[in-house]
Amino acid sequence: QKEVEQDPGPLSVPEGAIVSLNCTYSNSAFQYFMWYRQYSRKGPELLMYTYSSGNKEDGRFTAQVDKSSKYISLFIRDSQPSDSATYLCAMSLGSWGKLQFGAGTQVVVTP
Amino acid sequence: NAGVMQNPRHLVRRRGQEARLRCSPMKGHSHVYWYRQLPEEGLKFMVYLQKENIIDESGMPKERFSAEFPKEGPSILRIQQVVRGDSAAYFCASANQGRGETQYFGPGTRLLVL
Repeated sequence: QKEVEQDPGPLSVPEGAIVSLNCTYSNSAFQYFMWYRQYSRKGPELLMYTYSSGNKEDGRFTAQVDKSSKYISLFIRDSQPSDSATYLCAMSLGSWGKLQFGAGTQVVVTP
Repeated sequence: NAGVMQNPRHLVRRRGQEARLRCSPMKGHSHVYWYRQLPEEGLKFMVYLQKENIIDESGMPKERFSAEFPKEGPSILRIQQVVRGDSAAYFCASANQGRGETQYFGPGTRLLVL
């Protein structure tokens, strides 16, 4: 079993819809949770990070962490074709350590 | 502000040759991480370095791979005697001291072994 599970998709949504992404994990010691966006043949771009449980909002993006369920989510409101990319969840044990990534979910937003 | 820089962006090597990948962290960042992304797989941690120190190399293959981050100059990931299975995208990320949760990635080096 992988330490971080993420559905690879693809997830296809119409423009303007809400995109809902999630990851589950097995190691309850993870403390920091991140979401990255990766366009084809580019490097990952940090979207958001959250410490421990709770919600965090930044513009059209909302990240949620439920440590009791070992489940994290990312919501993208008012999706645009430019949001079409692969979204990677990542997590770490501390503020200094390596990141453990999910496999990434490919998102396609159709005009 | 310049971001994380990696070069070369593309590297072609024949089996048995050496590959050297370079990474210059963001200005002010003293921590460097290397990750590898194999086709159809997620990013896998390889090594974590600070200036002149390897902090965590738990993801590095035991043979042929080495990394350094000298006092001056970029971080180097070195792969000796490359094999076809080394073909992948290699990404470097940098972070500020104590802020490893905000790792910023470079554009990657795509290594192709013929």
